[in-house]
Formats: sequence, structure tokens, C-alpha cells
Amino acid sequence: SQTIHQWPATLVQPVGSPLSLECTVEGTSNPNLYWYRQAAGRGLQLLFYSVGIGQISSEVPQNLSASRPQDRQFILSSKKLLLSDSGFYLCAWAQHYNQPQHFGDGTRLSIL
Amino acid sequence: GENVEQHPSTLSVQEGDSAVIKCTYSDSASNYFPWYKQELGKGPQLIIDIRSNVGEKKDQRIAVTLNKTAKHFSLHITETQPEDSAVYFCAASRGNTPLVFGKGTRLSVIA
Repeated sequence: SQTIHQWPATLVQPVGSPLSLECTVEGTSNPNLYWYRQAAGRGLQLLFYSVGIGQISSEVPQNLSASRPQDRQFILSSKKLLLSDSGFYLCAWAQHYNQPQHFGDGTRLSIL
Repeated sequence: GENVEQHPSTLSVQEGDSAVIKCTYSDSASNYFPWYKQELGKGPQLIIDIRSNVGEKKDQRIAVTLNKTAKHFSLHITETQPEDSAVYFCAASRGNTPLVFGKGTRLSVIA
């Protein structure tokens, strides 16, 4: 069966510090991978998605970047965090665009 | 691009009553419509989905209906229980672009 791992579960970072969140998927190959951000009590904002190694599509201009160095690894990064980067970050995978997306448990990021 | 509207944003029902959440979509080419349940502090979990060649799908107390002509689909939860309390999201996809999600409905089931 397929599993998705996302870490860390919680993270507290100072403003201006770098960020690296990692997501890995097991039990499948060549999945579509997604990064979402969710503000408190709000909906899901798609940040980045990838349909293959090295292929990254950005949905909104922001202080973040994403990379896919391996087939089942998706990384969300920032060089200098802003207060507005606080939120709940979710990674998801799907076999295709119109197949179910499966979400990780998320990372709660607080910027101080 | 696709736009998905979800109503209501909050819904309170008595335990045992039914709950209905409605979504409309804009792109007539959309053909896949999943529903997700998100509990506090967790990632969304798929609870049911439907494709455009089907009008209704049921899974125990949960059902989804799709009206392609009107471009809307609905989630029906019968005999609600306190553990049904969560945020529910609808979504739509045309098959060559990522899912577009509604803004969510916070369902509270009052015991």
C-alpha cells in the first residue's frame, strides 16, 4: 500500500531564517506531488505541484520554492521566512490529476 | 480556469439528522469530483468521490449526487453522529489540471 510521510509535524522558526520541509511517498511510482498551505480556519491554497522529477509548477508568486530531486521526494523551501509564511503545510500525492489525492499529516509552521 | 463554490460555510445539525453540503463548478469539462473530511490538526481524508458518468454514489451513511447540466454536486450525510463533526471540502478536476477545492464547510453535530 501507498504511504506519505511529511516532517516535521511542528516547526517554530524566527523571521528571516531558512526553511526546508520534506515529503516522501512510498509504494507508488511517478506520482503527481502537491504542496498546499492552509491558514487557520481557511481553505486549501495550492502552492506547487509536480508531475515528474525536476518539473515544478507554481500556482502563486511567493517567498517559497519547491524541488523534486527524486521521483517520490518533494521539498518545500524558503531562503528567508516572513511572518506571513505561518500556516499549516500539507503535502499530497495522486496517481493522476483526476485520481484521488492523498494527504500527509501536515506541518504546522509558526514564525516568530 | 475552474472555480468551485461551496455552501454553506458552517452547518450545525442535531445528532441523527441529515446534513447536506452543496458545491457548484464552472468548467463543464470537469469530470472528477471528490469530497474530503478534515479533522482538527490532520490532513484531509478522501471520503467519497464521483465521476461524470455517474449521477449518484453511496457508501453507508454518505452519498454524493452530481447534476452535470446544472454543474453542481452535493454531499449527503444521514444519521449524523458527533464524530462526523469536521471540515468538509469538495473539489473538481477536468483531468489535465490539479484539483480545485471549495473553501470548506465546518459541520458541527450537536449531541
